[in-house]
Amino acid sequence: AQSVAQPEDQVNVAEGNPLTVKCTYSVSGNPYLFWYVQYPNRGLQFLLKYITGDNLVKGSYGFEAEFNKSQTSFHLKKPSALVSDSALYFCAVRDRDNYGQNFVFGPGTRLSVLP
Amino acid sequence: EAQVTQNPRYLITVTGKKLTVTCSQNMNHEYMSWYRQDPGLGLRQIYYSMNVEVTDKGDVPEGYKVSRKEKRNFPLILESPSPNQTSLYFCASGPGSNSNTQYFGPGTRLTVL
Repeated sequence: AQSVAQPEDQVNVAEGNPLTVKCTYSVSGNPYLFWYVQYPNRGLQFLLKYITGDNLVKGSYGFEAEFNKSQTSFHLKKPSALVSDSALYFCAVRDRDNYGQNFVFGPGTRLSVLP
Repeated sequence: EAQVTQNPRYLITVTGKKLTVTCSQNMNHEYMSWYRQDPGLGLRQIYYSMNVEVTDKGDVPEGYKVSRKEKRNFPLILESPSPNQTSLYFCASGPGSNSNTQYFGPGTRLTVL
């Protein structure tokens, strides 16, 4: 069975500092990995995904994520945080080797960027 | 504009009164899905559909039904709602590959009294 863990409910960072939102996953096959962001009273918006190839994936709004197969992690990063990055972030996984398997989302991490 | 729409956006109902939440997408996507979002639990998948007339259970299908008679529509049906189905519901769609990115609707906040 697939699962996603986001070990931090809340991450606080000062504006201009680098940010990291952690995600670890478990899947029986090889993973497709995703990050989504949810702003208040909005649906989820796609940020980036790892399919294959380079372990460092670049996405929207200056975000990037690094796939680490040995640590089964897919941490989201940004070199310099903005106040407008404050939102709820979700990591998700899908099993690449089992077509038709459903998506599994993590519980979410609330990011607060302090001015 | 490419989008996923849901109706209604807000609904307050009573236990046992059947309801349907509609979901429609205009992107010709094969994949559609329903999620519920609850505090501390993130998003949990209720049902998904890989194509017309093909539906599968997600992680929390109990108490819900879906149908996929047309490619663009994927309604969520609660035959006999209960208070534990009070939640924020999201519909999503994606192109027909296993690596698809999902596009989410704006959400439906349901309260069952």
